[in-house]
Amino acid sequence: AQTVTQSQPEMSVQEAETVTLSCTYDTSESNYYLFWYKQPPSRQMILVIRQEAYKQQNATENRFSVNFQKAAKSFSLKISDSQLGDTAMYFCAFMGGGTSYGKLTFGQGTILTVHP
Amino acid sequence: DVKVTQSSRYLVKRTGEKVFLECVQDMDHENMFWYRQDPGLGLRLIYFSYDVKMKEKGDIPEGYSVSREKKERFSLILESASTNQTSMYLCASSFESYPREQYFGPGTRLTVT
Repeated sequence: AQTVTQSQPEMSVQEAETVTLSCTYDTSESNYYLFWYKQPPSRQMILVIRQEAYKQQNATENRFSVNFQKAAKSFSLKISDSQLGDTAMYFCAFMGGGTSYGKLTFGQGTILTVHP
Repeated sequence: DVKVTQSSRYLVKRTGEKVFLECVQDMDHENMFWYRQDPGLGLRLIYFSYDVKMKEKGDIPEGYSVSREKKERFSLILESASTNQTSMYLCASSFESYPREQYFGPGTRLTVT
């Protein structure tokens, strides 16, 4: 079974600064997908960024980028130029390939607070 | 925009009651999921469905059942609610085709007293 670990329960950052959230996972599969989801206070969970394991290039979405280290099974999220609206719970999630029907295994979550 | 809705944002029930949580999606997604979210534990999969009338157990199915009679609707049933089922419940849906991105509902915060 896959496991996903987020070792930082809480983090904080000043507005406009850069912050990195950590995630490690364990799997025996070679083909899989990794995700970062954001859950703002009292709002719906939304996808931030996605990485396909077969792609060596790290995914980027505007101010959000990942550092995907397949051999180390590490998948960190970097948020540049942090904004107050980035305050949220962030979840790292793993999805296996094949006939998994898209089931996700989530980490414990990291609460990020952006201070003005 | 994809829309996933859940029948209630907040629900308070008594121990032993039968509880129904409803989820509806409007994107013709094949897959639907029920998770519970607890502090420090992240989201844990309760049940999922990949087609009408098809269901499979997730990681923590004990005490729960599900029903999917129509493609757009997926119900979570607590047959006899207990206090340890007090939690946030999240529904999600996705296409079967890759990348199978999941879209989430707003969640139902259930309190069992």
